[in-house]
Amino acid sequence: DTGVSQNPRHKITKRGQNVTFRCDPISEHNRLYWYRQTLGQGPEFLTYFQNEAQLEKSRLLSDRFSAERPKGSFSTLEIQRTEQGDSAMYLCASSLGGNNEQFFGPGTRLTVL
Amino acid sequence: GESVGLHLPTLSVQEGDNSIINCAYSNSASDYFIWYKQESGKGPQFIIDIRSNMDKRQGQRVTVLLNKTVKHLSLQIAATQPGDSAVYFCAEKGKAGSQGNLIFGKGTKLSVKP
Repeated sequence: DTGVSQNPRHKITKRGQNVTFRCDPISEHNRLYWYRQTLGQGPEFLTYFQNEAQLEKSRLLSDRFSAERPKGSFSTLEIQRTEQGDSAMYLCASSLGGNNEQFFGPGTRLTVL
Repeated sequence: GESVGLHLPTLSVQEGDNSIINCAYSNSASDYFIWYKQESGKGPQFIIDIRSNMDKRQGQRVTVLLNKTVKHLSLQIAATQPGDSAVYFCAEKGKAGSQGNLIFGKGTKLSVKP
């Protein structure tokens, strides 16, 4: 257990529905990251926050995706109008500053039917 | 373009032997590299990291070697144990101008035979 928690651990939804995932980072960590991982691949960066500011977004983050970290603590990742291609493991990580190791949570596995 | 990848997708070793997992990267400007271990159904777990001003770093039973000349990174696991069975990823800090993300390779699956 790294201290980063994610909920839910699993989510099954029908195509077209909206889903929201939550990440609680290690409490003193100011940076929070979202990654997506498909089967057999390494994690791919989506976006990251420093405190409450969203500082970088990958081109993988389409306009159907939105992430927030309103108080600089927990973060949510919402996917609107889900598509089957959104099926993946969504990983959250946190770090203290930008030059230190990132600690990953257990992930939320999304299945879009 | 920049990429981080691994030479072998699978590696099978006998318990007690040493394991070597390799990784090639293409961005010569990268200055921070990390090895992660990922067990089935879990998130990646940090193993060891190395910065570009070093060529070797040792941890408990693990050693990371960095060869900047050929842009090669390796992870050595001494006395491999069944609990080491997992997928191992190398990752590099994002390209210049990117302050946050890690770029991961595809991973090597390590299987330890008892």
